[in-house]
Amino acid sequence: EAQVTQNPRYLITVTGKKLTVTCSQNMNHEYMSWYRQDPGLGLRQIYYSMNVEVTDKGDVPEGYKVSRKEKRNFPLILESPSPNQTSLYFCASSSTRLAGRETQYFGPGTRLLVL
Amino acid sequence: LAKTTQPISMDSYEGQEVNITCSHNNIATNDYITWYQQFPSQGPRFIIQGYKTKVTNEVASLFIPADRKSSTLSLPRVSLSDTAVYYCLVGVTILTGGGNKLTFGTGTQLKVEL
Repeated sequence: EAQVTQNPRYLITVTGKKLTVTCSQNMNHEYMSWYRQDPGLGLRQIYYSMNVEVTDKGDVPEGYKVSRKEKRNFPLILESPSPNQTSLYFCASSSTRLAGRETQYFGPGTRLLVL
Repeated sequence: LAKTTQPISMDSYEGQEVNITCSHNNIATNDYITWYQQFPSQGPRFIIQGYKTKVTNEVASLFIPADRKSSTLSLPRVSLSDTAVYYCLVGVTILTGGGNKLTFGTGTQLKVEL
């Protein structure tokens, strides 16, 4: 089954404690990205990746890092989480063959609470 | 990127047809219109995409008039499980290398009751 998986689904942590949210897709997609969703602000892109070892900032990259060492994985790293990073996070992937018409597949989400 | 306007919320009853209209006056010639559905605490899910006239799939229909300044998502015979937020997206930001960034608005919260 084609899918995007994220782990963990729920996470409570404290300010400053480094954490990683994993994302994996099994569709051999080149493009992967991370979004955060906050009430009243909708979905905003954090980082994206065109392919292995190619990443770039989205609209709200501050406080986040990513890496793309393998095509299927795109982890999101919070080196020193702060309470304003409490949010619902989604990973997404798509192919890049249709120049903007691709369907994006989203993961189930990771709900993060930073105390 | 074309700005979209859609109702904040809609209510319906099971078995009814629901039509959600999205206006996008500044749609560009190459822009496609795409609708996503999002259930609470889940990721958005692609529903349907079109360029002009009418597109139908097993889930919904999408009606686009000739001037393309608006579009209507039609959900036939809704059920309780169709309660979700529906997003209308027009065009994408093409990123260097071929990927695309989706820009989601606030969407339409559809509530279906018995």
